[in-house]
Amino acid sequence: DTEVTQTPKHLVMGMTNKKSLKCEQHMGHRAMYWYKQKAKKPPELMFVYSYEKLSINESVPSRFSPECPNSSLLNLHLHALQPEDSALYLCASSQTQGVDYGYTFGSGTRLTVV
Amino acid sequence: DQQVKQNSPSLSVQEGRISILNCDYTNSMFDYFLWYKKYPAEGPTFLISISSIKDKNEDGRFTVFLNKSAKHLSLHIVPSQPGDSAVYFCAASGSNTGKLIFGQGTTLQVKP
Repeated sequence: DTEVTQTPKHLVMGMTNKKSLKCEQHMGHRAMYWYKQKAKKPPELMFVYSYEKLSINESVPSRFSPECPNSSLLNLHLHALQPEDSALYLCASSQTQGVDYGYTFGSGTRLTVV
Repeated sequence: DQQVKQNSPSLSVQEGRISILNCDYTNSMFDYFLWYKKYPAEGPTFLISISSIKDKNEDGRFTVFLNKSAKHLSLHIVPSQPGDSAVYFCAASGSNTGKLIFGQGTTLQVKP
């Protein structure tokens, strides 16, 4: 298995909703990442987990809450989002934290906040 | 402040010809550079990378050149194929942080 699987592919949520994005990989990678990509913009790093511990938080608002329950799973819990949070959320993984092996990206979750 | 810049939003080339995509960076601490390809509704796919200790890396039809003094890298695709039509992102990282800084992307169209 050489894939990063993200669910759901699409999500529409209201500003008072609570939802979660899920990311899964079975490549034995020990680093996992969340990126956010707005339309016609490059992906921007949000969080890095290394060996299930939060390694980097790029000053992301607390309405985004990451969780890494085990080495294969990465969640992003969403609460009280704003319409400007609508974006493509990309999960990625790598063998360890560092880019020498390249990342493997998932296909992303297209989030719309209404 | 855009640390990684791809100044050409789009590029159109004829099938069989060479595609050259360019990327400039400003942060001298970057020591690893990567190119990703992205199709609509898919995540970026890793293409090729280069360490700052090298000036060229080749993988099949794809070659990346790095000019450290000019803080410039380029991706050459030879020969270009219609299936290469996609958005190409240049990305850079420093100190093995795992943090990628992406350029804005260049949309490549290869015409049959």
